[in-house]
Amino acid sequence: GNSVTQMEGPVTLSEEAFLTINCTYTATGYPSLFWYVQYPGEGLQLLLKATKADDKGSNKGFEATYRKETTSFHLEKGSVQVSDSAVYFCASLSGGYNKLIFGAGTRLAVHP
Amino acid sequence: EPEVTQTPSHQVTQMGQEVILRCVPISNHLYFYWYRQILGQKVEFLVSFYNNEISEKSEIFDDQFSVERPDGSNFTLKIRSTKLEDSAMYFCASSPDREQFFGPGTRLTVL
Repeated sequence: GNSVTQMEGPVTLSEEAFLTINCTYTATGYPSLFWYVQYPGEGLQLLLKATKADDKGSNKGFEATYRKETTSFHLEKGSVQVSDSAVYFCASLSGGYNKLIFGAGTRLAVHP
Repeated sequence: EPEVTQTPSHQVTQMGQEVILRCVPISNHLYFYWYRQILGQKVEFLVSFYNNEISEKSEIFDDQFSVERPDGSNFTLKIRSTKLEDSAMYFCASSPDREQFFGPGTRLTVL
């Protein structure tokens, strides 16, 4: 079945450091891919998305490129801020309009 | 900006009791979902709902669970007889097509 694998956290960075959170997927066909963010005590917010190969999703300085050849959708940010501290979830959506399959989540902690 | 709302934010119940978690999806959305997140674990799909019927459900969504859209605005998840392992954050989501918008969640604690 479909699955999403994320790098394990926590990821601890200093402010202004470069961030990469790896995400790979397995799916039949070509799923849409998403990154969601969960700030402490809050729900899931859509951060960015890509619906087909080579698409780049971007938002708030975060980027991720849909790579079909490596079945990956890695999240990157050039310079993180303390306010980026949160849990980041990679997710895939296959076939029709049904379930999102989430990765385990990666906790990011950014220190001043 | 329209958003998905959920009530209550926190529900505490005794094992064996029935609970109803409520959601108000975004008004022009057609697809509705429930997910849950056990503390420290990944978000898991429970059920999807379209055109007044379940379109898909996971193996977690057994006979103890049911969903309903009783009127034009609410979408509810009922757990008939709660178990300790039902303690989790429950998220409602709605979608106009492929992008799902999540509510803030209801934390269910079963004692």
